[in-house]
Amino acid sequence: AQTVTQSQPEMSVQEAETVTLSCTYDTSENNYYLFWYKQPPSRQMILVIRQEAYKQQNATENRFSVNFQKAAKSFSLKISDSQLGDTAMYFCAFMTGNAGNNRKLIWGLGTSLAVNP
Amino acid sequence: DGGITQSPKYLFRKEGQNVTLSCEQNLNHDAMYWYRQDPGQGLRLIYYSQIVNDFQKGDIAEGYSVSREKKESFPLTVTSAQKNPTAFYLCASSINREGFNQPQHFGDGTRLSIL
Repeated sequence: AQTVTQSQPEMSVQEAETVTLSCTYDTSENNYYLFWYKQPPSRQMILVIRQEAYKQQNATENRFSVNFQKAAKSFSLKISDSQLGDTAMYFCAFMTGNAGNNRKLIWGLGTSLAVNP
Repeated sequence: DGGITQSPKYLFRKEGQNVTLSCEQNLNHDAMYWYRQDPGQGLRLIYYSQIVNDFQKGDIAEGYSVSREKKESFPLTVTSAQKNPTAFYLCASSINREGFNQPQHFGDGTRLSIL
């Protein structure tokens, strides 16, 4: 069974600095998708960035980028130029790419990020 | 605007009562999901549905029931058999298509509490 591990329950960073959140996963599949979601205090779940396992190039979305290491099964999220609005819980998630009726997300337990002024 | 609407935002349940949480989407997504979120436990899947008139149990289905009579709607009933229903409930939807990058989109959630 697939698992997702986020080893940092809490992190903090100063405004304008860079922070990296860790995520590792376990799977025997070769085709899958990885996601980072953000949940601010409002509790709304927002997609931050996504990565297809067959793509070697790391995904980027403005200040957010990932370091995808397929062999190591690692999918870390880097936030550059941190802003106060980045304060949130961040969840890493895995989804199989195989066909069938089981395309559910496997979630990590989350990392609580505080951006300090 | 396309999106997912959950209602109500807050809900209170009395002992022995069944309550139903609404989830409606106008994104034309095939798949819909219900999650429960407790502090420190991340998201746990309750039920999911990949197509109309079909649904599967997730990891914590006991004490819950769902229906999927329409593509747009996936209501969740918390039954009296669920002894610890106090939690934040999130509904999500996604496209269900082979080979398609399909992130899940979420509603704003319903907070359920016991009276």
